[in-house]
Amino acid sequence: GQNIDQPTEMTATEGAIVQINCTYQTSGFNGLFWYQQHAGEAPTFLSYNVLDGLEEKGRFSSFLSRSKGYSYLLLKELQMKDSASYLCAVGRLGGYNKLIFGAGTRLAVHP
Amino acid sequence: NAGVTQTPKFRILKIGQSMTLQCTQDMNHNYMYWYRQDPGMGLKLIYYSVGAGITDKGEVPNGYNVSRSTTEDFPLRLELAAPSQTSVYFCASSYAGTSTDTQYFGPGTRLTVL
Repeated sequence: GQNIDQPTEMTATEGAIVQINCTYQTSGFNGLFWYQQHAGEAPTFLSYNVLDGLEEKGRFSSFLSRSKGYSYLLLKELQMKDSASYLCAVGRLGGYNKLIFGAGTRLAVHP
Repeated sequence: NAGVTQTPKFRILKIGQSMTLQCTQDMNHNYMYWYRQDPGMGLKLIYYSVGAGITDKGEVPNGYNVSRSTTEDFPLRLELAAPSQTSVYFCASSYAGTSTDTQYFGPGTRLTVL
């Protein structure tokens, strides 16, 4: 079967660094996506990892370890506008469900 | 480009009523998807389409129907609304249907069935 776990909620302080973890179990793994979703809005694409290692995009970085079934999203220099839910999604080969989403981590950034 | 647009933004239905949620994309994407998002849960795939005239069931298709007469439009139909269909519905599209292809989401339709 498939399973994606991420923390339900996190809080952090403006200017700090936060790491949001995601663990997964799935067959036919073909990459891991991170999406950002502000309250009441659509998910928007943040990053994609298919090989092990770190991908950096400005203040956001995403890491993948396929052998451990583990990814994290690292947010640096937090800003208030980073308060949102962060969805981990696993890409799968074959079948209709090409993208399996976790429940999301709600991040609250405080001054 | 408007991207993916959805109407309406909000809707309240009574049990047993029917409605159609509209979705349009202007990116010439082949693949389109309908998801529902319940509080505290991940997005669940309802139906998807690989091109005009071709649709298929996702993980939670019961109670819904779709059609794809054009590349741009992918409406979702609820025939007999039930309280269990209270959710936020997102339409998405991607150029290809591979698992590595980025999906672009519409703003969502918040549906309440009373």
